[in-house]
Amino acid sequence: QSVLTQPPSVSAAPGQKVTIPCSGSSSNIGNNFVSWYQQFPGTAPKLLIYENNKRPSGIPDRFSGSKSGTSATLGITGLQTGDEADYYCGTWDTSLSAGVFGGGTKLTVL
Amino acid sequence: EVQLVESGGGLVQPGGSLRLSCAASGFTVSNSYMTWVRQAPGKGLEWVSLFYRSANTYYADSVKGRFTISRDDSKNTLYLQMNSLRPEDTAVYYCTRDDYNSNWNWGQGTLVTVSS
Repeated sequence: QSVLTQPPSVSAAPGQKVTIPCSGSSSNIGNNFVSWYQQFPGTAPKLLIYENNKRPSGIPDRFSGSKSGTSATLGITGLQTGDEADYYCGTWDTSLSAGVFGGGTKLTVL
Repeated sequence: EVQLVESGGGLVQPGGSLRLSCAASGFTVSNSYMTWVRQAPGKGLEWVSLFYRSANTYYADSVKGRFTISRDDSKNTLYLQMNSLRPEDTAVYYCTRDDYNSNWNWGQGTLVTVSS
């Protein structure tokens, strides 16, 4: 049972937009920065979004992040088949004094 | 260029020990926040442990008292000493260099299998 809650899967058509929610609490998302990671099968995760809504160099602006209260959202526009991957949110939990991740969301581009 | 190379994984019996290494290049481990993250087969990411500054360490409850994170500044290497291993510790273990409150750079991972 993950501390952060994500839907197991989402799907959308190529070219469309999809959002992936991540729900937490005041001890984690509510008072700490949120990051998002993309992972393809058999490979290490890759940072997509840091500090809620910033993109590392090289990440397309099709990827965006937002945070409101104790929830965060990853948005992907102009979906491509190459975006099919698992997506994870992560943050620090002040009460646990530990990092926490969501359970991950599998994106399918139909 | 930042590079992280994990090693030390393998097959170990329940109750056994293993030490993972993460050799870093392109930056200085002693100046960085460093984390271990694991992923059980077919499962999601699980945060394991954090080391920062001189000796500040944090652990997930699931490994507290059994795992110890450390580093060797002369080798620019991060370690994870894992004792009293359990089948549920079976996972790919990644080390990460943290920056801007995120797991910024990731190694390729090393597989630990705990089984009799």
